Amino acid sequence: GQQVMQIPQYQHVQEGEDFTTYCNSSTTLSNIQWYKQRPGGHPVFLIQLVKSGEVKKQKRLTFQFGEAKKNSSLHITATQTTDVGTYFCAGGRGRRALTFGSGTRLQVQP
Amino acid sequence: GAVVSQHPSWVICKSGTSVKIECRSLDFQATTMFWYRQFPKQSLMLMATSNEGSKATYEQGVEKDKFLINHASLTLSTLTVTSAHPEDSSFYICSADMSGELFFGEGSRLTVL
Repeated sequence: GQQVMQIPQYQHVQEGEDFTTYCNSSTTLSNIQWYKQRPGGHPVFLIQLVKSGEVKKQKRLTFQFGEAKKNSSLHITATQTTDVGTYFCAGGRGRRALTFGSGTRLQVQP
Repeated sequence: GAVVSQHPSWVICKSGTSVKIECRSLDFQATTMFWYRQFPKQSLMLMATSNEGSKATYEQGVEKDKFLINHASLTLSTLTVTSAHPEDSSFYICSADMSGELFFGEGSRLTVL
């Protein structure tokens, strides 16, 4: 079945440093979504990418969807303590339910 | 944005009992809801897709007789963990699809003693 892997599993950065998490799917995706889950909370939708090679920005967050629509990345510029949490990518294939990646847990040291 | 409410937030039960978790879409109608399970520090694993008015679709390896799903209305889906055992202890989260975006409930933490 479809697998979605994320690296790294965990990253600890100093406040102000940049952070990137990478997502790779074993199959071609129709879309990819990103979610953030704060400790003890539930996942919250961040963004959806649909087009091959698409790049979207939300303030300090930059999201990319690969040309082959099998990989994606989330880059945070100048991290803040409020960025702490686990970031999940989730791959969609047509009308099938999303498959979530393994997640990257981000810790930001003030 | 859309709101999905899950109840209860946490529940402790004895081994062998059944527990029902409710998932409601508060301001939109959801013909499809999804039930996920999340172990500590792990990803969300899809258990089943709940379809209003029809049988749920279960993922491979998920026992449909153990995890009963009912989606009787466009705003309510329920997950019943039957004859719960300690290994069923987990964080159960529902989500509803609205225009391709998933909105998640707050989650229900189940502890089976």
